Order: sequence, then structure tokens, then C-alpha cells
Amino acid sequence: GAGVSQSPSNKVTEKGKDVELRCDPISGHTALYWYRQRLGQGLEFLIYFQGNSAPDKSGLPSDRFSAERTGESVSTLTIQRTQQEDSAVYLCASSKNHRDEQFFGPGTRLTVL
Amino acid sequence: QKEVEQNSGPLSVPEGAIASLNCTYSDRVSQSFFWYRQYSGKSPELIMSIYSNGDKEDGRFTAQLNKASQYVSLLIRDSQPSDSATYLCAVGYSSASKIIFGSGTRLSIRP
Repeated sequence: GAGVSQSPSNKVTEKGKDVELRCDPISGHTALYWYRQRLGQGLEFLIYFQGNSAPDKSGLPSDRFSAERTGESVSTLTIQRTQQEDSAVYLCASSKNHRDEQFFGPGTRLTVL
Repeated sequence: QKEVEQNSGPLSVPEGAIASLNCTYSDRVSQSFFWYRQYSGKSPELIMSIYSNGDKEDGRFTAQLNKASQYVSLLIRDSQPSDSATYLCAVGYSSASKIIFGSGTRLSIRP
């Protein structure tokens, strides 16, 4: 496919469990971003990868959150010991280079019971 | 701190009228500007990008950039109910590693 894909589309988990969210960026896009969007709220930047540079982790809300990306391919966002306040839609976006237009995936809706 | 400011709305516009959405940004040295549309329950989709002062038109949409006054706007002509959505402004700062999003303006087109 030509767009950004994310999986799963929905995830329901119990408080305290770990979850892993996946993002497949558009081929050739060197920049990849993760955002969190709570219901009725704006985009909250989490982390940004640009090529082989060190990621910008300045938006990660706690050390329970981490993300990895191998080269310019797939990225995974991991949330450990999930809490109810982690419930949100997690959006991934990619762009050719930083400061270029970003293209968003459909998101993963996470519900922590 | 780089900032992008938008009025949260809701902005209510009658069908067929022009909807005007505004965005201001804090850093004069900015290079790239984007408008996204987000329908409820969906992810943002890019509407327009603009890089130089002036107007850029695409169908019913016109983006206007004024770097001296540090604002960028989006005009939607002949507004349709399907234009009802949240519109996000995003700015790429030359001194920042990523683009910064505003919190969005909710637009409602009333029939």
C-alpha cells in the first residue's frame, strides 16, 4: 500500500499489562513520528525518528513509554504497565524529511480497562 | 518554546459561505506551513502546504501566508456540510527538528 499503516487498529488491555503498537511508514520516508490523541484533545507529540540520528524522545510522558525504529522501516511503540490514563488513539506519521508534510496512519485506539 | 496558536472554536458558518480559519506562530524564522483536516474519529489528512508569502489556491481551498505578521490562514469557499471537521495548522521551524501542530479549530457548517 502507498500509505502509512498501523496495527492493531484497536487494542483493549487490562491495567498493568504491556502493549506494543506497530507503524509501517511510507517507503522512502526518513522521518517517523508518534503522537497521542486523547478524546476531544489535540495531537500530543511523543517521539520522532529521523534516519539514523538519535531519536527525539522529548514528548514521551514517562519511562513506561519507549519506541524503536530499525533504519527507515517499521517502528514499534511500547507501553509498559499500562494505566487507564494511557487510553487514547496513538497516531503514527511519516515524512520524506523533517519539516516536510507528514502523512498519518489510521491510528491505534488503545483502551486500558 | 515554539508555538502555534489557533482559536479552538467552534466556528459556525452557513452552507455556501466562506469559512476563514486563522493560525499564528511564534517564530519569524519559519519555513513550511501546513493545513490538515481531521474528521471525528479519523486521523488528520493533509489539505495544503505553503512555503512562500501570498496565496495558494487548490479548488475551494486557499491558503494565505504572511510571514511579516506571522500568520497563516485557510479559506474555504462555498462551504459544505462535509467540510465540518477540526482543522489543524502546522509549522516547520528552521530551528526545530520537527513541525509543530496547533491544537486545531473546530468548524461546523450549518445547512
